[in-house]
Amino acid sequence: EAGVAQSPRYKIIEKRQSVAFWCNPISGHATLYWYQQILGQGPKLLIQFQNNGVVDDSQLPKDRFSAERLKGVDSTLKIQPAKLEDSAVYLCASSSFRGGRHRNTIYFGEGSWLTVV
Amino acid sequence: DAKTTQPNSMESNEEEPVHLPCNHSTISGTDYIHWYRQLPSQGPEYVIHGLTSNVNNRMASLAIAEDRKSSTLILHRATLRDAAVYYCILRPPLKGAQKLVFGQGTRLTINP
Repeated sequence: EAGVAQSPRYKIIEKRQSVAFWCNPISGHATLYWYQQILGQGPKLLIQFQNNGVVDDSQLPKDRFSAERLKGVDSTLKIQPAKLEDSAVYLCASSSFRGGRHRNTIYFGEGSWLTVV
Repeated sequence: DAKTTQPNSMESNEEEPVHLPCNHSTISGTDYIHWYRQLPSQGPEYVIHGLTSNVNNRMASLAIAEDRKSSTLILHRATLRDAAVYYCILRPPLKGAQKLVFGQGTRLTINP
C-alpha cells in the first residue's frame, strides 16, 4: 500500500513570496491533516479535512495560509506571503475509519521542508 | 486535551531494553494512550496504543499503570534504528476522526 505522498520535499523562498505544498493521502482515507513542525517542537495541527469539508482550522493563520481539498482526495496548502517564522516542516497525514483496531491510526508523509530567507 | 509529561531525552545502549515513561495524571476514564515516534527527517509513525491492559506488538510493549496515571513504552532490544523522538498522546474514544495533539516528546539516543 502506498503511503502519504508529499511534494516538494524541500523549498527555499524569500520572505513575502508564496509557496504551495501538495499532498496525496493513502487511497480511501477520508480524513486529511496538515501539521506544521518547527525545529525542536512537536507537530502542530493547522487544518483537518473530512472528505472535502473542513473539520478543524482553529490554528490556521488564515491571513496568510489557505488549504483546499478538492474532490476529497488530494490537498494543497498555500502560504502567501511567507514570513521568516513560517520556516518549518509541513506534514500531511491521513486516516480512515475502516480497519478494525487500527482504524483512526494516522499515517504521515515525509514532510515538506520550508526555509524562508 | 489532557496533558502528558515525558522526559526531554533519554539514552540507552544497543541491544538493551529501553523503558520510556509517560505521566498523564489528568487522564479521563475513556482516554486511550497512544505512542508515536518520529525518526530523523521522517514524519511520525504509529507505535502502539492501549486503554487499560498491557499491549504487545512487533515494535514494542505498552505497560499501563493500574490507576492509568502513567504508562511506559518498552523497547525490548533497542537497535540504532530506534533512535527517534517518542511521543505519548492521549486520545478520547473514537467519535469521528480525531487529530493528534503532540507534546515535546522524548528524544531517545541509542549508543552502539
